[in-house]
Amino acid sequence: DTAVSQTPKYLVTQMGNDKSIKCEQNLGHDTMYWYKQDSKKFLKIMFSYNNKELIINETVPNRFSPKSPDKAHLNLHINSLELGDSAVYFCASTLGGWNTEAFFGQGTRLTVV
Amino acid sequence: SQELEQSPQSLIVQEGKNLTINCTSSKTLYGLYWYKQKYGEGLIFLMMLQKGGEEKSHEKITAKLDEKKQQSSLHITASQPSHAGIYLCGADVSNYGQNFVFGPGTRLSVLP
Repeated sequence: DTAVSQTPKYLVTQMGNDKSIKCEQNLGHDTMYWYKQDSKKFLKIMFSYNNKELIINETVPNRFSPKSPDKAHLNLHINSLELGDSAVYFCASTLGGWNTEAFFGQGTRLTVV
Repeated sequence: SQELEQSPQSLIVQEGKNLTINCTSSKTLYGLYWYKQKYGEGLIFLMMLQKGGEEKSHEKITAKLDEKKQQSSLHITASQPSHAGIYLCGADVSNYGQNFVFGPGTRLSVLP
């Protein structure tokens, strides 16, 4: 069983479209995260949710919005996609906060054309 | 199961001691990255290694990628409390850059 699963794994879409990436964890963890990995493999945290409460929101464009229907899911919705949004997006979860082990999804490679 | 293994899983050292964390793969690593998971800051990029035998240093942290490109070590010299955190290795396991995976992490505690 996959602990943290993301769908889709690959996503190719045109500029201006709206898309969502889904993330689910079956670990019973309290906190979930979204990271953006750029072409140089730098990871930048975008959001984290703890019990449906947004606790970190870095300086990301408001075209990006996290949606958490329940503790096991944290979806990433992106409006009006731009070329610069092309990257790999990773979902992760932790049982507690930052000082606990993180489990990562397999990543979603988004390509905006 | 993890494609990257890390050892040890957790480590407690006295301030001033040296320590090593290992990251091992059964596959060839096309790029190996070390991150530190720090409270309130998410994952912080430390170093990237790509060539077999490559070694890089930053302050008191040295990372090496072995010749076969299947194992990397992260060595901290004269550890300090500020080094505490969870260290993750990440790697490209395909030569097309299509498959990036993370290790499970090593929790480091440094006692003052």
